[in-house]
Amino acid sequence: DAKTTQPNSMESNEEEPVHLPCNHSTISGTDYIHWYRQLPSQGPEYVIHGLTSNVNNRMASLAIAEDRKSSTLILHRATLRDAAVYYCILSHNAGNNRKLIWGLGTSLAVNP
Amino acid sequence: NAGVTQTPKFQVLKTGQSMTLQCAQDMNHEYMSWYRQDPGMGLRLIHYSVGAGITDQGEVPNGYNVSRSTTEDFPLRLLSAAPSQTSVYFCASSSKQGAGYGYTFGSGTRLTVV
Repeated sequence: DAKTTQPNSMESNEEEPVHLPCNHSTISGTDYIHWYRQLPSQGPEYVIHGLTSNVNNRMASLAIAEDRKSSTLILHRATLRDAAVYYCILSHNAGNNRKLIWGLGTSLAVNP
Repeated sequence: NAGVTQTPKFQVLKTGQSMTLQCAQDMNHEYMSWYRQDPGMGLRLIHYSVGAGITDQGEVPNGYNVSRSTTEDFPLRLLSAAPSQTSVYFCASSSKQGAGYGYTFGSGTRLTVV
């Protein structure tokens, strides 16, 4: 199975953009790229996902490299509430199930 | 609010005891699953269900049973608790089974087995 590699931690200032990188050099053609975040003592929260094209939603943007071997989650204006662990995950269908490979994520600190 | 509800939030069990972790969703989602999260490891899939009456094993199913008699509920049963089952358990649901759909997670059950 393909795996993802993320920095252990990153730091940002409030109201500045944040770019969270993810390497997935062994991604297969059927793998979707998902991002979730997890606040302390809470369950993971869906942020965004994509397959080949860049994606935008109210929470963030996802930029996917042309060769799909890396992607970047973009938070346009960080707030203190964005401090969390961010997971980059590859997901593909496996029979009647889907397989998600979770890594250890990036712990994002946001400074006031 | 609509979402995934897990109970209890915390539980301490003695080795050998059994218990059921409850999970309910009110979004009419087809797909439901149980994960465990341990320090230094990513989330690992225990069991999943693609619809009422259909369940299957994930990566780490040993020591756990599930059933899905309704679309809304997906309980996880620990048959005979062991210290290795000390973990945080998350229930997640998705509108469809496919890899292109996102999950909604519950807030988790923190289980300690002594």
